[in-house]
Amino acid sequence: GAGVSQSPSNKVTEKGKDVELRCDPISGHTALYWYRQSLGQGLEFLIYFQGNSAPDKSGLPSDRFSAERTGGSVSTLTIQRTQQEDSAVYLCASSGGQSPNEQYFGPGTRLTVT
Amino acid sequence: GDSVTQMEGPVTLSEEAFLTINCTYTATGYPSLFWYVQYPGEGLQLLLKATKADDKGSNKGFEATYRKETTSFHLEKGSVQVSDSAVYFCALGPLNTNAGKSTFGDGTTLTVKP
Repeated sequence: GAGVSQSPSNKVTEKGKDVELRCDPISGHTALYWYRQSLGQGLEFLIYFQGNSAPDKSGLPSDRFSAERTGGSVSTLTIQRTQQEDSAVYLCASSGGQSPNEQYFGPGTRLTVT
Repeated sequence: GDSVTQMEGPVTLSEEAFLTINCTYTATGYPSLFWYVQYPGEGLQLLLKATKADDKGSNKGFEATYRKETTSFHLEKGSVQVSDSAVYFCALGPLNTNAGKSTFGDGTTLTVKP
């Protein structure tokens, strides 16, 4: 596709429910990243994929958070038993080609846990 | 670990004023340095980057020079416009040939008034 896409754009869920956030990277980009942006804060790294494997998942805040990537393309971030502190904008980025350290960001999913 | 500290905002300037947003970093090795911009209602996008000491990144009238001796990457623009109003993020990331996570500052909100 032309850019990184994410769905849904907004998600409101009740505390304790599970949510799945989806990211569709730029076609051909081998690296995919998930970040979290809380109100007024910078971006917090969560996990990085190279192909389907995750060489760096050091930023996942707890075992309630998991992510997978299939076919070297689409990725899903799953948050189990959501808590109010999980409320944030979840950003996905991808990179590849001749400048693999340049990240292209999607529009984000705004998650609100009530 | 790696960290980025950038000037706290918000910053409010009149059109055609000179802009400086300070950014300093702590890193092991030789990271690449980036400025990303987030315009109102839009996703994060790369503004400029520098990949080694003394490199100058430039784009849309903005410049930043990679200063290893002061571990800084300050963003400057000689004459700002109303359309430059946005949130600016300084970040450090991997070498130009590598993918990998980036570490972001907390962002500086710039408002330019006519």
